[in-house]
Amino acid sequence: KQEVTQIPAALSVPEGENLVLNCSFTDSAIYNLQWFRQDPGKGLTSLLLIQSSQREQTSGRLNASLDKSSGRSTLYIAASQPGDSATYLCAVIGGGDLETSGSRLTFGEGTQLTVNP
Amino acid sequence: GAVVSQHPSRVICKSGTSVKIECRSLDFQATTMFWYRQFPKQSLMLMATSNEGSKATYEQGVEKDKFLINHASLTLSTLTVTSAHPEDSSFYICSARALGFGSYEQYFGPGTRLTVT
Repeated sequence: KQEVTQIPAALSVPEGENLVLNCSFTDSAIYNLQWFRQDPGKGLTSLLLIQSSQREQTSGRLNASLDKSSGRSTLYIAASQPGDSATYLCAVIGGGDLETSGSRLTFGEGTQLTVNP
Repeated sequence: GAVVSQHPSRVICKSGTSVKIECRSLDFQATTMFWYRQFPKQSLMLMATSNEGSKATYEQGVEKDKFLINHASLTLSTLTVTSAHPEDSSFYICSARALGFGSYEQYFGPGTRLTVT
């Protein structure tokens, strides 16, 4: 059974700091990995999706890397801003037989980020 | 593109009544839709997977007779919480996987906050 762990559970940083959020998964046979942002009481906003054949994806100040063999991904946020404050969720698709697991997304518990002005 | 809507966004109901939540893919056809539940300070937990025209597949521990899922068309899935109780109060989020898209990416709705009094 695929399990996803995110460290740290919470992070508070001053504005302008660069930061890294970590995600690890137990079964490296994934199809892809996705990072989401969730604001309080809201749905999910997809930030970056990395296919299993890729090593990283970039969007603006965000860079996500994937090391499939070691079961790890990182989300790097450059020059953090108060508007980046949210919970960041990592999720993987696959791990095992894709046909039986369908496109099941397994989520981590999230990292709650606070960027202080 | 790839927009998913949910209705209602919030609902309050009395204990013992039933509540229906709709999930629609607005600009694409969804072969598969997923229903998640999220309790406060926790991550998303998959409740069930539904494929258009067939019965939903429920996760272990989710009562199929209590959480009725119908996926009657390629753009609409509904979740009915029958005989709701206060412990069913939660944030329910649906997602849809697009027909023909190869990435297995899921597109998420904005969520429905259910409060059972």
